[in-house]
Amino acid sequence: AQKVTQAQTEISVVEKEDVTLDCVYETRDTTYYLFWYKQPPSGELVFLIRRNSFDEQNEISGRYSWNFQKSTSSFNFTITASQVVDSAVYFCALSALTISNFGNEKLTFGTGTRLTIIP
Amino acid sequence: EAGVAQSPRYKIIEKRQSVAFWCNPISGHATLYWYQQILGQGPKLLIQFQNNGVVDDSQLPKDRFSAERLKGVDSTLKIQPAKLEDSAVYLCASSWTGRNEKLFFGSGTQLSVL
Repeated sequence: AQKVTQAQTEISVVEKEDVTLDCVYETRDTTYYLFWYKQPPSGELVFLIRRNSFDEQNEISGRYSWNFQKSTSSFNFTITASQVVDSAVYFCALSALTISNFGNEKLTFGTGTRLTIIP
Repeated sequence: EAGVAQSPRYKIIEKRQSVAFWCNPISGHATLYWYQQILGQGPKLLIQFQNNGVVDDSQLPKDRFSAERLKGVDSTLKIQPAKLEDSAVYLCASSWTGRNEKLFFGSGTQLSVL
């Protein structure tokens, strides 16, 4: 069974501060994919990043960076110099590729972290 | 590129009534998903279509929920009869192939069952 844990329910930081959102996952599969999605107040989930289990390189995209560590089963997300527009709920998610579910890889979401950036 | 369209945006009904939601995915996307998102929780997959066939409906409460995707394009999700615990946001998403790729989500339908 797959599981994604986002222990931080809510985080508030002052604008321009850095903030890290934690994500811990569980899976028995050796091939899997990790995702982060952003859900602004409008309600539409927006894709941010996908990582496969064989690529542990950290990634940076502008003010966003992701730290993937298989040793601790974590895929953490850091926003540098936060802005008010970053206020949203952020979801970490996992899908696995196995012979039994080939072609039907179900995405399992965490419970989300509500991030509030205070101006 | 037009996004995933959903309607209605909001719906309020009384328990035991029926309700239907509509979704139009991004043109060309073979895979369509319906998710249920209860307040404070992450989205939970209800049903996944590949073209007009169902590939996963293991978490769909089939005694009251039904879904169809005619001609492999638009989809409707129906609840009949609704229960109080069905109050949630119903999200539709689509993707090109359904193979561990990013999903494109609609804005959702917020359902309140009184």
